[in-house]
Amino acid sequence: QQQVKQSPQSLIVQKGGISIINCAYENTAFDYFPWYQQFPGKGPALLIAIRPDVSEKKEGRFTISFNKSAKQFSLHIMDSQPGDSATYFCAASKASGTYKYIFGTGTRLKVLA
Amino acid sequence: DAGITQSPRHKVTETGTPVTLRCHQTENHRYMYWYRQDPGHGLRLIHYSYGVKDTDKGEVSDGYSVSRSKTEDFLLTLESATSSQTSVYFCAISESPSTGDGFQPQHFGDGTRLSIL
Repeated sequence: QQQVKQSPQSLIVQKGGISIINCAYENTAFDYFPWYQQFPGKGPALLIAIRPDVSEKKEGRFTISFNKSAKQFSLHIMDSQPGDSATYFCAASKASGTYKYIFGTGTRLKVLA
Repeated sequence: DAGITQSPRHKVTETGTPVTLRCHQTENHRYMYWYRQDPGHGLRLIHYSYGVKDTDKGEVSDGYSVSRSKTEDFLLTLESATSSQTSVYFCAISESPSTGDGFQPQHFGDGTRLSIL
């Protein structure tokens, strides 16, 4: 019940295309869902996050879509650029207690120029 | 960038030796976390701290211990390193949520690459 399942494992997109990464969770107590971006040799950096009281959140070219009934959320990268090539992780947490994250297994995105 | 420094950045050691990794923060955040990152597993929580001298286990704590004697420092120790502990280790910090907000994100350091031969 603690797992977060992330897909696909890897993704290749043409420049200007839309990148879509999906995550599914089991624990209905989770109420905070961040996405992290990681470049080689660096730590993960917070990209965007959503709470279950909204179905969508947009920041620039990055959008989170959230489906509470299906227990799924996804990251959409519009107009993908070669600089977006990185590994992306979704995570889930409860907004109480010790705020521990459960991470997905990551998606390696490559955007072709 | 959050003020998080991990040391060393790279280490190679032999099986059976003790290893200590250090995480130092300048943000005065209450919460600190140690993760390991392995291909196909994402990031997995080893131990975390919710205050000075207050620590607890994560999902992969066997073979690891931690200590936090000051707000700014969180140490991860491998008492007797094994090859299965070869990994990249990340420290993260987060602040206590402010009233009415309910959440603060975690911020990560740049990791320590540990190889155990």
